[in-house]
Amino acid sequence: EIVLTQSPATLSLSPGERATLSCRASQSVNSYITWYQQKPGQAPRLLIFETSNRATGVPARFSGSGSGTDFTLTITSLEPEDFAVYYCQQRSNWPPFTFGPGTKVDIK
Amino acid sequence: QVHLVESGGGVVQPGTSLRLSCSASGFNFENYGMHWVRQAPDTGLEWVALISFDGSITYYSDSLKGRFTISRDNSKSTLFLQMNSLRAEDTAVYYCTKDQSPEDYLWGTFQYWGQGTLVTVSS
Repeated sequence: EIVLTQSPATLSLSPGERATLSCRASQSVNSYITWYQQKPGQAPRLLIFETSNRATGVPARFSGSGSGTDFTLTITSLEPEDFAVYYCQQRSNWPPFTFGPGTKVDIK
Repeated sequence: QVHLVESGGGVVQPGTSLRLSCSASGFNFENYGMHWVRQAPDTGLEWVALISFDGSITYYSDSLKGRFTISRDNSKSTLFLQMNSLRAEDTAVYYCTKDQSPEDYLWGTFQYWGQGTLVTVSS
């Protein structure tokens, strides 16, 4: 089973700042990393698939990069609605499909 | 617009069974793989099960140890999860999700999610 670790666990930033979230896999997942956003009381929302492809309707301030075992989600300028928990997930080696533990982006 | 609406959750005692349903609309349900993903209180996400577009292929998380069964009725655009021998550790919000890919074995991107249904297993 591929284990995903995310860092930091919590990221405290102000609106307008840049957020950089990391996801590391226990073995290569090629480019098969997906990012989701979850706000309190809501279901997760697909943000980025296959490392760098934005899902429909996702603003351009969200971008993904990486390869192999190390991946990054970047939010260039935080908007108030971006404060949430972000999960990475892999579909390279399954079952199971696995998720990271999440990074919480909260308001400083 | 894609809509996924789960139902069937509730409070049940350990050892009992529960059947979750997910009603889908806004897309050609019969063309896509579907999944159940769960989230225990204040924790992360755990993939539970996958079913192919026609129901002929299913996969499960090993942690379920054969207690859960995923199925679908394409004539009613409905996904199911039969959960038997429920345990306290099965307490979670259960989400129905649509896979992004219409092709078998390219599964694993959870494109749309329902709002979830809460299952609480407690004596």
